[in-house]
Amino acid sequence: RKEVEQDPGPFNVPEGATVAFNCTYSNSASQSFFWYRQDCRKEPKLLMSVYSSGNEDGRFTAQLNRASQYISLLIRDSKLSDSATYLCAVTNDYKLSFGAGTTVTVRA
Amino acid sequence: GAVVSQHPSWVICKSGTSVKIECRSLDFQATTMFWYRQFPKQSLMLMATSNEGSKATYEQGVEKDKFLINHASLTLSTLTVTSAHPEDSSFYICSARGTGSDYSPLHFGNGTRLTVT
Repeated sequence: RKEVEQDPGPFNVPEGATVAFNCTYSNSASQSFFWYRQDCRKEPKLLMSVYSSGNEDGRFTAQLNRASQYISLLIRDSKLSDSATYLCAVTNDYKLSFGAGTTVTVRA
Repeated sequence: GAVVSQHPSWVICKSGTSVKIECRSLDFQATTMFWYRQFPKQSLMLMATSNEGSKATYEQGVEKDKFLINHASLTLSTLTVTSAHPEDSSFYICSARGTGSDYSPLHFGNGTRLTVT
């Protein structure tokens, strides 16, 4: 079983829509959780950290469910510029492991 | 803060040659840096942990004699792909944590796209 698994998508949504997707992780002792955004042929950029209490950054909301070992990302009022691949990342010991990414395409 | 710079951005080399990639932390000191590799449509895979002043720690399946890592200062780590072959063609990305704990997020360099012909 992979350490971190994501639905690859793609999620094709119209502008203004809400899109949400999950990521599961296998190690119950994982210590920290993040969402990164990766544009085509570029490096990943940190989108937000994910906390058990849930956290929001503008149109983005992240949740962590430790009992079921998944994290989620919700994007409200999607913009064309939100089109990207979203990577979830999980820290085990000091190492960060990544999922393969969920591709989101926002259409006009 | 936590800016990581990587050079070169892309490189094309012939099979059998060696390629060196530099990773610098610009506004902080990094005792530890991480080297990842990403093949098309796949996840970032951790290759090795680069430790300033000591040997790198390699992940299972990564050949330490092929991927030489040197972390001679608190702001510079280098990855040398020795005797490169076409199957080594990939996107190589370094990363580091800024100030913060071992559980804080990583910040990535801009990556190096290696093509071996």
